[in-house]
Amino acid sequence: GAGVSQSPSNKVTEKGKDVELRCDPISGHTALYWYRQRLGQGLEFLIYFQGNSAPDKSGLPSDRFSAERTGESVSTLTIQRTQQEDSAVYLCASSLGPLSSPLHFGNGTRLTVT
Amino acid sequence: EDQVTQSPEALRLQEGESSSLNCSYTVSGLRGLFWYRQDPGKGPEFLFTLYSAGEEKEKERLKATLTKKESFLHITAPKPEDSATYLCAVQTAGNTDKLIFGTGTRLQVFP
Repeated sequence: GAGVSQSPSNKVTEKGKDVELRCDPISGHTALYWYRQRLGQGLEFLIYFQGNSAPDKSGLPSDRFSAERTGESVSTLTIQRTQQEDSAVYLCASSLGPLSSPLHFGNGTRLTVT
Repeated sequence: EDQVTQSPEALRLQEGESSSLNCSYTVSGLRGLFWYRQDPGKGPEFLFTLYSAGEEKEKERLKATLTKKESFLHITAPKPEDSATYLCAVQTAGNTDKLIFGTGTRLQVFP
């Protein structure tokens, strides 16, 4: 079956522009996560969805970052007025939802802000 | 504050030379500890989940173990295709399902 799909795979944008990153989770997975991975660093939690609700948004770095999920499926991470420090790989993962289910990751979107 | 520390940061092994990777954690309550493998340009790939001290899981040349303070990923007779970054993550007891990741160990196995 298909895994987690993310698009675009690469995005180069100018400082100050808005960007949208898309995640298509594995069908039937109720939980969805966004992480950020800066070069040479670990994965940094951003936000977690259970269904279409986000019970944990604690990792969003600023109000420039927002995310939504619709139809208990596709999720979009939006970064407004991008800054150079936003440059990173943004990873999406999904899981079946029950506690301690393993996360299945997509290959990420590499965002470069020039 | 919940924290996950992995060591060493990088490890170079000759093919067939067994070794261990360490993941130490400080958390308020452990719900599960996860090991992932990440290849360059790819997302992390799930390897194991461990839930309680004393538990062990094996897959091919890899064996993961768990104590109350740390986990080890043992690699027996590694091959060049085992070269990757190995990530450890913990899920803490609480009202969130997020995983807290360490920064990983970059493993290189030479023929």
